[in-house]
Amino acid sequence: EAQVTQNPRYLITVTGKKLTVTCSQNMNHEYMSWYRQDPGLGLRQIYYSMNVEVTDKGDVPEGYKVSRKEKRNFPLILESPSPNQTSLYFCASSFTLGTGGVEQYFGPGTRLTVT
Amino acid sequence: SQQGEEDPQALSIQEGENATMNCSYKTSINNLQWYRQNSGRGLVHLILIRSNEREKHSGRLRVTLDTSKKSSSLLITASRAADTASYFCATDGMNYGGSQGNLIFGKGTELSVKP
Repeated sequence: EAQVTQNPRYLITVTGKKLTVTCSQNMNHEYMSWYRQDPGLGLRQIYYSMNVEVTDKGDVPEGYKVSRKEKRNFPLILESPSPNQTSLYFCASSFTLGTGGVEQYFGPGTRLTVT
Repeated sequence: SQQGEEDPQALSIQEGENATMNCSYKTSINNLQWYRQNSGRGLVHLILIRSNEREKHSGRLRVTLDTSKKSSSLLITASRAADTASYFCATDGMNYGGSQGNLIFGKGTELSVKP
């Protein structure tokens, strides 16, 4: 089954404790992206990757890191989480975005709470 | 730096009625997409309309695009209780100071369809 998986689905952690949220897709998509969703703010893009070893900042990259060493995986790293990073996080993937546009496939989400 | 803005923020209707949601954006786009999100879950792609298209249909969905007004509308006909969800428009950020890959979502419209 074609899908985007994220782990963990729920995480409660403390300020400053490094964490990684994994994202994996089995559709051979070139493009992958991370979003955070907060009440009243909608979805905001954190980072995206056009292909292996190619990453770029979205709208809200501060406090986050990503890597794209393999095509199927795109982990989101919080080196020193802070309470303002408490949010619902989504990973998404697609074939390469172009002027014609292409649909994004979303993972189920990771609800992160930083205390 | 929100590109798309949905209107209304919330909409409550009775089953069988039509639901219309609007999306306005600020700069030129290559394409516009609509997504649906059930509470706390990942987004699901509904329909994509390219900048050279004016109207598109998919089942009970009808999307229009007016590039001169920088706006789009999503019409759901004969709504059902199962249509209750949040609906988001998304535009590519090609001409919005971002590089290709910067997909920008609006804040969404919460649709409630009462049985």
